[in-house]
Amino acid sequence: NAGVTQTPKFQVLKTGQSMTLQCAQDMNHNSMYWYRQDPGMGLRLIYYSASEGTTDKGEVPNGYNVSRLNKREFSLRLESAAPSQTSVYFCASSRGQGARNTEAFFGQGTRLTVV
Amino acid sequence: AQSVAQPEDQVNVAEGNPLTVKCTYSVSGNPYLFWYVQYPNRGLQFLLKYITGDNLVKGSYGFEAEFNKSQTSFHLKKPSALVSDSALYFCAVRDSGGYQKVTFGTGTKLQVIP
Repeated sequence: NAGVTQTPKFQVLKTGQSMTLQCAQDMNHNSMYWYRQDPGMGLRLIYYSASEGTTDKGEVPNGYNVSRLNKREFSLRLESAAPSQTSVYFCASSRGQGARNTEAFFGQGTRLTVV
Repeated sequence: AQSVAQPEDQVNVAEGNPLTVKCTYSVSGNPYLFWYVQYPNRGLQFLLKYITGDNLVKGSYGFEAEFNKSQTSFHLKKPSALVSDSALYFCAVRDSGGYQKVTFGTGTKLQVIP
């Protein structure tokens, strides 16, 4: 059981380049999330998708776009990368229905450096 | 707006001693509270949650947490620390009446000294 799979694990981009981070989950979860983790900042929500077909902005959406391709997949796109987007990116999913199923399951992360 | 505070960047404890990692929260409605652990170069792993019911919640690897509504706290505890417990710990909160948005604290690094 793979859980949440992110690709790539590492990436170096030049300022202005674009790229898409891929995320897939095999747990039949309804909700999916993208977070970024920066030292001393904890995890900050970029975008989330409460269910297939819907997406919403989180705390720090500027410079990013997302696509909920289907129930399994939720991608994050950087259209024009900036050094401030250097971070570790985590995708997560949760069942999203009912109080007792709210915990999230995380992928291994993508370490992105923008030079 | 909801928020989480983890007042200690790092907690050091000797192996075999009890450990506590502190967390306080702010949320407009009733809280759902979570603890996650992160090992180096890994994603976060769920440890335990408080939704409703008993204030003392037991989770994975012998960890437990106590929900205190009057102090708006949800401290993580373990009676006897192991070296393998050394990791980064995150507290998180969401409003029970709100959407799926979860707010994380900044994390506390736990160092268990042999």
